[in-house]
Amino acid sequence: AQSVSQHNHHVILSEAASLELGCNYSYGGTVNLFWYVQYPGQHLQLLLKYFSGDPLVKGIKGFEAEFIKSKFSFNLRKPSVQWSDTAEYFCAVNARAAGNKLTFGGGTRVLVKP
Amino acid sequence: NAGVTQTPKFRILKIGQSMTLQCTQDMNHNYMYWYRQDPGMGLKLIYYSVGAGITDKGEVPNGYNVSRSTTEDFPLRLELAAPSQTSVYFCASSKGQDQPQHFGDGTRLSIL
Repeated sequence: AQSVSQHNHHVILSEAASLELGCNYSYGGTVNLFWYVQYPGQHLQLLLKYFSGDPLVKGIKGFEAEFIKSKFSFNLRKPSVQWSDTAEYFCAVNARAAGNKLTFGGGTRVLVKP
Repeated sequence: NAGVTQTPKFRILKIGQSMTLQCTQDMNHNYMYWYRQDPGMGLKLIYYSVGAGITDKGEVPNGYNVSRSTTEDFPLRLELAAPSQTSVYFCASSKGQDQPQHFGDGTRLSIL
């Protein structure tokens, strides 16, 4: 079945460490890619999105993601995390091959130790 | 800006009871969605709507029903609650099918 995979379920880091979260999808053709963040007790919020153009996209709060079409990947990065980045991060793909319905990865819980 | 509003925030049901989760949005979005979020599983689409009067099944529709009589409202109904429906439910809306979705605060539902 076509899907969206996030490789790490849990990540623990210290403040100022660099963060990279992996996301791979299996849909061919045209895709729109998203990263959403869910802070503890809150709803999902859009972090960044890729529709077309420059494959390196910058989002809010210093996050960026790189779309690598040949690898079917859309990894999320932040050079230096803060305690306030503690949250769950979801990759999501809107693919024409999936009827343009948004498919979410399983999420990665990130804990940043102060 | 209210955005997407869900009620209630928490609810405990007994097996076999029914209830309606309310969702309303004030952004005049045509597209609305219901998801359930289970630990480690991400969000699974239950039902969605592309406009008033039009609804369609998502990935996990069994045990649920929806209606869309207005652009603003998209209620989700559980007719015969089962323990497997214990989850956190999120409503979302978007301007277009491929546009970013705006989420409500969620409803935490426990069925005992």
